[in-house]
Amino acid sequence: GDSVTQMEGPVTLSEEAFLTINCTYTATGYPSLFWYVQYPGEGLQLLLKATKADDKGSNKGFEATYRKETTSFHLEKGSVQVSDSAVYFCALSARTGANNLFFGTGTRLTVIP
Amino acid sequence: NAGVMQNPRHLVRRRGQEARLRCSPMKGHSHVYWYRQLPEEGLKFMVYLQKENIIDESGMPKERFSAEFPKEGPSILRIQQVVRGDSAAYFCASSPPEGNGYTFGSGTRLTVV
Repeated sequence: GDSVTQMEGPVTLSEEAFLTINCTYTATGYPSLFWYVQYPGEGLQLLLKATKADDKGSNKGFEATYRKETTSFHLEKGSVQVSDSAVYFCALSARTGANNLFFGTGTRLTVIP
Repeated sequence: NAGVMQNPRHLVRRRGQEARLRCSPMKGHSHVYWYRQLPEEGLKFMVYLQKENIIDESGMPKERFSAEFPKEGPSILRIQQVVRGDSAAYFCASSPPEGNGYTFGSGTRLTVV
């Protein structure tokens, strides 16, 4: 079935370090891919998305490229800030307009000054 | 626009009691989704509803759990005879009729004692 495998955390980085959080997926057809962020005590917020192969989603300095050949959607940021500390979830929807999302287990990022 | 409103934010129930979780979707959104997040895990899809209809309940436990989205009022996730294993964060999301643009609420954290 459809699933998402996400790099386990926690990840601790110093401010201005480079961030990569790995995400690979299994799906039939052509899923849409998402990264969500969850700040402490809050719900999930959509960070970025990509709906087809080779699309690059970007927002707030974060980027992820939809790689069909490697079934991956790794999240990257060139220089993290303390305010980026949160839990990051990779997710997919199995088809365009599909109703439910499949989530990875989440990666907790802590950025220290 | 108030966003997706969930209440209560925190709910404590004794084993055997009933838990009722409420979700008011964003204005203009007619689709509601419930997800459960167990400690240290990702979100798991439970149920997808439109007004007065359950569209997909493939993620709902077979017993004790039910959901509704009446013509008027919020969507309700009801858990009867709660057990300790029901302790989790329950998130609601809503989307417009075309199905794109999920927005999550801040969640209800259920603790069963």
